[in-house]
Amino acid sequence: RKEVEQDPGPFNVPEGATVAFNCTYSNSASQSFFWYRQDCRKEPKLLMSVYSSGNEDGRFTAQLNRASQYISLLIRDSKLSDSATYLCVVNRGYSTLTFGKGTMLLVSP
Amino acid sequence: NAGVTQTPKFRVLKTGQSMTLLCAQDMNHEYMYWYRQDPGMGLRLIHYSVGEGTTAKGEVPDGYNVSRLKKQNFLLGLESAAPSQTSVYFCASGTGTSVRGTDTQYFGPGTRLTVL
Repeated sequence: RKEVEQDPGPFNVPEGATVAFNCTYSNSASQSFFWYRQDCRKEPKLLMSVYSSGNEDGRFTAQLNRASQYISLLIRDSKLSDSATYLCVVNRGYSTLTFGKGTMLLVSP
Repeated sequence: NAGVTQTPKFRVLKTGQSMTLLCAQDMNHEYMYWYRQDPGMGLRLIHYSVGEGTTAKGEVPDGYNVSRLKKQNFLLGLESAAPSQTSVYFCASGTGTSVRGTDTQYFGPGTRLTVL
C-alpha cells in the first residue's frame, strides 16, 4: 500500500458544484494531516490542516477518519479559481511530510 | 518579507556538469527541505535539515548533496548531472514543531532543471 493515495482525476465540474476528494494513508502513527493546493507550474501552498474533529474554512471542509486512515476534502459552490491540483499530505515523522500525487480539479463556466 | 526564494529559476545542463541550487528563507525556520517533482510521481523528498549545520537523507538522495552552513540558506548540489535528474526542484522551510498540525511547510517558487 502506498504511503498516501489519491484519485488522480481530473475532476471536471461546473461552477457552483460540490466536489469531494478522498485520500488514504498507510502510516497509522501519522499525527498531522494537510491539504495543499498547487496551481499549474507553481509551488504547493497550504490550503488547510485537517483535524480529527473536522474543520471548515469557508467553502472548504476537511475530515479525518483515523480508524479508516482516510482524509477527505469537500469544496462547496466551486469557483473557476478553484481549478488546481489538490495534494493530500501526511506527516511521516521527524517533521517530514509525504505528499500524495494530487487530484486535479477543473471548474468550468 | 520574501518567504522562500530559489535561485536560479531555470537551468539547462549537459550530462556530467555540476551545479548548485540555492534556497533562502527569511522566516527564521529551523527546518528546510529539498524536493523534486516529476510528472506522475508527486513530490519526493531529497534531503532535509533540522537546523544549521545538519543534513539528513530523504527518499531519493542519490546523486545529490546538500549543505546548511547558515540557518537561512540550504544548498542542493548536483556533482555530475544525469538526464534522470531533469525535474522541478522545490525548496521548503518550516518550524518543524511537534505540535500537531503546526509542522506546515512553505515552498519556494521552484527551479526547472533540464539535463541534456
